[in-house]
Amino acid sequence: DAGVIQSPRHEVTEMGQEVTLRCKPISGHDYLFWYRQTMMRGLELLIYFNNNVPIDDSGMPEDRFSAKMPNASFSTLKIQPSEPRDSAVYFCASSLQGFDAEAFFGQGTRLTVV
Amino acid sequence: LAKTTQPISMDSYEGQEVNITCSHNNIATNDYITWYQQFPSQGPRFIIQGYKTKVTNEVASLFIPADRKSSTLSLPRVSLSDTAVYYCLVTTSGTYKYIFGTGTRLKVLA
Repeated sequence: DAGVIQSPRHEVTEMGQEVTLRCKPISGHDYLFWYRQTMMRGLELLIYFNNNVPIDDSGMPEDRFSAKMPNASFSTLKIQPSEPRDSAVYFCASSLQGFDAEAFFGQGTRLTVV
Repeated sequence: LAKTTQPISMDSYEGQEVNITCSHNNIATNDYITWYQQFPSQGPRFIIQGYKTKVTNEVASLFIPADRKSSTLSLPRVSLSDTAVYYCLVTTSGTYKYIFGTGTRLKVLA
């Protein structure tokens, strides 16, 4: 397996534009996580899914953020409208079981909102 | 979820053993201790996980005392490529959450 695949690797957009980040988890994994990493706030868990169903979205910062998982092999994180403070590296991760299993992270998407 | 506290940074020299201690005073019965490693421009990578006593794999050892209020990640004979940020996590049964703290920035010097 190629691991968790995220696209794009880099995204530069203007304030107010819609941004969509994409993630393909490892095949067979039933948990999917979205994280955001900044120097100031570190690595924050935004939302996670189990079997395509959102379980906990308490980390999603605002209504501007939304995440979907239409099937077991694809998830999106959308920001609309984007703001400069959304600039960060966004990671997607997947795991097979849950709390006692290791999470496999993608390479991340570096988002810059100007 | 139990809060974790670990040193912000550490320096070491190649070939030395490095021990990074993490405090988790409020750890609960159903909690596990997990360590991740993150290199620059990469996502975190699982290193080791344990519940009590000692766990060892090909990369590291994890020591957990009987009261489980702390844990120590031990990296034997570090090399320059072990320079990274190391995160200690307490993962709780039933919540399926991986909450990362500030981590320890390890710098290995030649």
